[in-house]
Amino acid sequence: AQKVTQAQTEISVVEKEDVTLDCVYETRDTTYYLFWYKQPPSGELVFLIRRNSFDEQNEISGRYSWNFQKSTSSFNFTITASQVVDSAVYFCALKNYGQNFVFGPGTRLSVLP
Amino acid sequence: GAGVSQSPSNKVTEKGKDVELRCDPISGHTALYWYRQSLGQGLEFLIYFQGNSAPDKSGLPSDRFSAERTGGSVSTLTIQRTQQEDSAVYLCASSWGPSGGGITDTQYFGPGTRLTVL
Repeated sequence: AQKVTQAQTEISVVEKEDVTLDCVYETRDTTYYLFWYKQPPSGELVFLIRRNSFDEQNEISGRYSWNFQKSTSSFNFTITASQVVDSAVYFCALKNYGQNFVFGPGTRLSVLP
Repeated sequence: GAGVSQSPSNKVTEKGKDVELRCDPISGHTALYWYRQSLGQGLEFLIYFQGNSAPDKSGLPSDRFSAERTGGSVSTLTIQRTQQEDSAVYLCASSWGPSGGGITDTQYFGPGTRLTVL
């Protein structure tokens, strides 16, 4: 069975702090894909990143970075020097080959000025 | 269009009435998904279309919920005899299609329809 856990329900940080959002997944498949989506207060989910199970290289995009570790079944997301505009709910998702998406419960990030 | 569009953006209805929610996917996307998001909650999968067929309806919560897709494009989610517990944001997403994962399966979401049942 597929499952995604985001243990942090809510996180509050002060602007310019670094913050890491945790994502732990469960799957028996060897081929799968992991995703992060951002849902700002406006409500529309925005795709951030996709990673396949065969590529464990970490990725950096501006202030965003992702750490994929198969050994711990984790796909954590770090925002460096957070900004107020980063305030949103962030969802981690898992997709096995040929199956539907499974989303985690989300982590609400509040960045205070 | 440039992105996934949904209409109406907001719908207020009385208990017992039927409602129709519409989703217009990104042009060329063959896969279409419906999700429900209750206030402050995660995403609840409802139904998945590939073309006009729905290979996975497992998430529809009751027989009051139905969906169809015509011409491999626009989809309509219908809720009959609405109940207060149906109040939620209904999200639609589309993707290029079922390669099994990866680029073509990345879902792009619409802005959602906020349904309020009084």
